[in-house]
Amino acid sequence: GIQVEQSPPDLILQEGANSTLRCNFSDSVNNLQWFHQNPWGQLINLFYIPSGTKQNGRLSATTVATERYSLLYISSSQTTDSGVYFCAVTAGYSGAGSYQLTFGKGTKLSVIP
Amino acid sequence: DTGVSQDPRHKITKRGQNVTFRCDPISEHNRLYWYRQTLGQGPEFLTYFQNEAQLEKSRLLSDRFSAERPKGSFSTLEIQRTEQGDSAMYLCASSYLGSGYTFGSGTRLTVV
Repeated sequence: GIQVEQSPPDLILQEGANSTLRCNFSDSVNNLQWFHQNPWGQLINLFYIPSGTKQNGRLSATTVATERYSLLYISSSQTTDSGVYFCAVTAGYSGAGSYQLTFGKGTKLSVIP
Repeated sequence: DTGVSQDPRHKITKRGQNVTFRCDPISEHNRLYWYRQTLGQGPEFLTYFQNEAQLEKSRLLSDRFSAERPKGSFSTLEIQRTEQGDSAMYLCASSYLGSGYTFGSGTRLTVV
């Protein structure tokens, strides 16, 4: 099946700093999403971004599908940004397994005041 | 749009008991998924419904697990004869063709 690798696994930031999280995937994808999992376990959808660039406030994401990677940018980080950020993909083929969202292991972000 | 709802939020059960979780997807979403997440890991796929048809099941879904989605609306996930290894967060998600997945808040199961 498709493999998803995220880096770095852990990141500690001072409040106000910027950061870039990376997601590499091993095959073509139909769907790529970035999620933020809060301390209560809720997975919040940040971006649905199988290709291109999107921005939402202090967050932006870029997916270069031909090179099989995606980047999540967090600017002016706040303590409320702390949590685990997951990249998840569905493989770019039809048939069995094509609807399975495969997750990376996540990046644990800690923003300190 | 009230999002994906899951019930209960927390469940503590004794080993050997049966438990059932419920998921109410976003009403216009025809696809529903169950995932399981253990501590420090990303969610892992369990099963997928399109409308009322269960189209895919993971090898993780042993014979003790069963999922249903009657009438293509809400879904239930039942675990029979629970084991300590079943302790995890059980997440439900829904989607529509061409859209991303929306996850519920999850049910945290603790088997003691």
